[in-house]
Amino acid sequence: DTEVTQTPKHLVMGMTNKKSLKCEQHMGHRAMYWYKQKAKKPPELMFVYSYEKLSINESVPSRFSPECPNSSLLNLHLHALQPEDSALYLCASSREGFRPNWVSNYGYTFGSGTRLTVV
Amino acid sequence: SQQGEEDPQALSIQEGENATMNCSYKTSINNLQWYRQNSGRGLVHLILIRSNEREKHSGRLRVTLDTSKKSSSLLITASRAADTASYFCATVLYSGAGSYQLTFGKGTKLSVIP
Repeated sequence: DTEVTQTPKHLVMGMTNKKSLKCEQHMGHRAMYWYKQKAKKPPELMFVYSYEKLSINESVPSRFSPECPNSSLLNLHLHALQPEDSALYLCASSREGFRPNWVSNYGYTFGSGTRLTVV
Repeated sequence: SQQGEEDPQALSIQEGENATMNCSYKTSINNLQWYRQNSGRGLVHLILIRSNEREKHSGRLRVTLDTSKKSSSLLITASRAADTASYFCATVLYSGAGSYQLTFGKGTKLSVIP
């Protein structure tokens, strides 16, 4: 299995809803990421988990709540979102978790994303 | 925050021609990677070049890295219509507390006309 699987592919939610995005990989990768991408813009990093611990939170509003239940699964819980949060949410994984004097030799594997529309 | 700036922002070529995209970045890097994205879906990793490497090849792809100029280029030879996509360079930066992040440039939109 060489894929990152994201579900659902599309999601429409109201501003008062609670929903979750799911990301799964079975490649034994030890770091997982959430990115947000607006139309015609590059992906922007939201969260990083390394060895199942939150490593980076790029000042993301608390209405986005990440969770890493195990080394294969990454969730993004959504609550009270705003219309401007509508975007493509991408999950990625990389082979190595972070460690001292780390030098990366591998690229990231991305899922196909969840297109989120907040109404 | 964005690290890389791609040039050009858009490129249109005929099938069979070569396509060259450039990327500049601002700070020291661990490595630089190129990704392709079709129609706003997932990104596909194309090639990685480490900071101590100057050139790398993979099939029809050739990547160069000039750390003194903080720049990289991606050359796609003998382009095909299927190469039509957005191409992003991305750099791995140390972000403190033992963490690293992959930061993307703005991207080049390549159109290959059959």
